Amino acid sequence: DSGVTQTPKHLITATGQRVTLRCSPRSGDLSVYWYQQSLDQGLQFLIQYYNGEERAKGNILERFSAQQFPDLHSELNLSSLELGDSALYFCASSVGVRSSGNTIYFGEGSWLTVV
Amino acid sequence: DAKTTQPPSMDCAEGRAANLPCNHSTISGNEYVYWYRQIHSQGPQYIIHGLKNNETNEMASLIITEDRKSSTLILPHATLRDTAVYYCIVRVGESLLTGGGNKLTFGTGTQLKVEL
Repeated sequence: DSGVTQTPKHLITATGQRVTLRCSPRSGDLSVYWYQQSLDQGLQFLIQYYNGEERAKGNILERFSAQQFPDLHSELNLSSLELGDSALYFCASSVGVRSSGNTIYFGEGSWLTVV
Repeated sequence: DAKTTQPPSMDCAEGRAANLPCNHSTISGNEYVYWYRQIHSQGPQYIIHGLKNNETNEMASLIITEDRKSSTLILPHATLRDTAVYYCIVRVGESLLTGGGNKLTFGTGTQLKVEL
């Protein structure tokens, strides 16, 4: 158990709908990362937040957005869903203020199926 | 972050040591070598990381060459449960000044298959 909690574990929704994925980082971790893993793309970095602020952005679609709340949990919002958005979405966290070599820990992911 | 090169697949007999190589010839002085693994559709699992010196923990050993251009992850006694994709990643460490750290950039990794 990495200590990173993601909900829901599985989600099935229709095209055009909107969903929210939730992540609770490890206790005390300030950084949250979101990754997408589809069958043909491998693990793709989407976005990173640090202590409530966006820190880095990857290949995140404009239909997707994220935020990190004051209690440090994060949500990834996916809207106008398409079949190609079906994937595993991982959240990860790290402390962010320790000395170099900090480790990132991953949750078990949220399976999204768009039908 | 520097790119890494790993063999796409490897086989290992159960109970034997699994040695997974990684080339990172363009690594910078402030970049660490991280190893993660992903067992089918589970979240990536942290294994070990290092900067210059060899490292060992309860899961594995990490051997980094003196010039830091390559490294080897060693699973001393591989079991069937070690069958997974293993990722070697180089990443700039976080600092007290910048905070936040840097993302991990995953390549295609090495599919390790442990067999009886």
